[in-house]
Order: sequence, then structure tokens, then C-alpha cells
Amino acid sequence: RKEVEQDPGPFNVPEGATVAFNCTYSNSASQSFFWYRQDCRKEPKLLMSVYSSGNEDGRFTAQLNRASQYISLLIRDSKLSDSATYLCVVCPSGGYQKVTFGTGTKLQVIP
Amino acid sequence: DVKVTQSSRYLVKRTGEKVFLECVQDMDHENMFWYRQDPGLGLRLIYFSYDVKMKEKGDIPEGYSVSREKKERFSLILESASTNQTSMYLCASRSRASVKAEAFFGQGTRLTVV
Repeated sequence: RKEVEQDPGPFNVPEGATVAFNCTYSNSASQSFFWYRQDCRKEPKLLMSVYSSGNEDGRFTAQLNRASQYISLLIRDSKLSDSATYLCVVCPSGGYQKVTFGTGTKLQVIP
Repeated sequence: DVKVTQSSRYLVKRTGEKVFLECVQDMDHENMFWYRQDPGLGLRLIYFSYDVKMKEKGDIPEGYSVSREKKERFSLILESASTNQTSMYLCASRSRASVKAEAFFGQGTRLTVV
């Protein structure tokens, strides 16, 4: 089983739609979770961290479910500019550990 | 403004050549990483380093080595480049100070081995 798994998509959604991505992880000792965004031919950049209680940043909401070992990202009122690949990131406890990325979910918002 | 800089955006090398990819960060981060990214496979970790002269194998270390002689610099070495090492290579750095620390990426090096 892969350490971090994501549905690769693509998700094609109309402008204004709500879309959700899930990501599952296999290491129950994982402590830190993030969503990164990667535009075509660019490097990944942090979109938001994922906190245990869930957190929101504007149109974006991230949730963590430790019992089922998955994190989710919800995007409301999708914009054309949201078109990108969204990468789930999982870090184990401790600062001496690797950072593992999911394969990414491609989102295309269509007019 | 935080910065991770990779020495080249594009490289073309011949099969069998020794290739050096350089990465420098100015954030005094302890941890540095090398990934390769291929369509459908996402980012796969090649090697990482949590301190000067320290290195750990990632998920796909075969055919690669690394060097971390100074805290700010992490080099990826392809001892004898092969065509299956044609890929986008991404360097990242991250502070060890917090489990919530963000990883910062360089702009990537697109390597073509012919």
C-alpha cells in the first residue's frame, strides 16, 4: 500500500461548483498534514496546513480524520484560477523524517 | 523572502555522463530533500538530509547519490546518467523546529538524458 494515496482525477467542474478531494495515508503515527497546490510547470506551494479540528481559509476547508486516516480538501465556489494539481502531504512525528507527497489530484474548472 | 534556488532550469546530458544538480537555500533549514516528478507518479523522494553530512535514502535512491557539505547546499549526483533518469527534479527545504513547518521548493530542474 502506498504511504499517501490520492485520486489522480482529473476533476472537471464548472465555475461556482463545490469540489472535494480526499487523501488517505497509511502511517498512523503521522503528525503533520498539508495541502499543496502545483500549477503547470511550476513548483508546489503550500495551500494550507491541516489541523486536527479542521480549518478554513476563505473558500477552502481542510479536514483531518485520524480514525480513518484520511484528510480532505473542500473548495467552494470554484474559480477558473483554482485549476491546478492539489497535492496531499504527510509528515511523521519528529523533525528527522521525510516528507511524503501524494501523486496529486488534477482540478480543471471550466467556464 | 524565503528562497530555494536550483542551479539550472533545464539540462540536457548524454547517457553515461556524471551529472550534478545543485540546490541552495537561504532559510537556515536543517532538512533538505530531492524529489523527482514524473507524469502519473507524482513526487517521489530520492534522498533527504537532516543535517550537514547526514543523508537518508528515500523511496527511489538507486542510481543517485547526494552530498551535504554545508547546511545551505544539497547536491544530487547522477553517477552515470541514463535515459530513465529524464525527469523534473525538485529540491525542497524545511525547518526542523516545528512539526507544522512548511516545505519550500526550488523552481525545478528539467533534466533530459539523451
